Amino acid sequence: DTEVTQTPKHLVMGMTNKKSLKCEQHMGHRAMYWYKQKAKKPPELMFVYSYEKLSINESVPSRFSPECPNSSLLNLHLHALQPEDSALYLCASSQEQGSYNEQFFGPGTRLTVL
Amino acid sequence: AQSVAQPEDQVNVAEGNPLTVKCTYSVSGNPYLFWYVQYPNRGLQFLLKYITGDNLVKGSYGFEAEFNKSQTSFHLKKPSALVSDSALYFCAVRDVWYTDKLIFGTGTRLQVFP
Repeated sequence: DTEVTQTPKHLVMGMTNKKSLKCEQHMGHRAMYWYKQKAKKPPELMFVYSYEKLSINESVPSRFSPECPNSSLLNLHLHALQPEDSALYLCASSQEQGSYNEQFFGPGTRLTVL
Repeated sequence: AQSVAQPEDQVNVAEGNPLTVKCTYSVSGNPYLFWYVQYPNRGLQFLLKYITGDNLVKGSYGFEAEFNKSQTSFHLKKPSALVSDSALYFCAVRDVWYTDKLIFGTGTRLQVFP
């Protein structure tokens, strides 16, 4: 299995809602990533997990809360988001942290905050 | 500062003609360079990478890229474009300090006309 899956594909939420994005990979990769991508822009790194531990937080607001329950799963918990948080949220994984291995991306979750 | 530049927002090419998507980089030390493609409403797909060795790198779907150290460039090429190659292309370099991070260029939209 050489893919990264993400659920849901689309999510619409109000500013007071709590929701979660899910990401899963079964490639045995030990590094997992969350990115935010606005239309026609490159992805912006949010978080990196390596061996299930948070290794990079790119000064992301606390209304975004990542979680890595095990080596195959990565969640992003959302609470009290703002309309400007509407974007495509991409999950990725790679074989090892700090290596030259490419990252494999999921299809993304299209988030709309009303 | 580390950076990647993609000087063209859009490249137009006729089907069957060769295509080039340009990328230049600025990093200290040896660069680890990547090309990704993104189709509409999808995640990024890895095309190819340069780590070391032969300056001409061959990748997926008939794409190749030439690493030129003196010109600090890593241009993506394909001998004969297909309409299905139309997509958004991102060049990226691995951050030398935070090696989990990819520094992306702004992207180039490739439009292949029949």
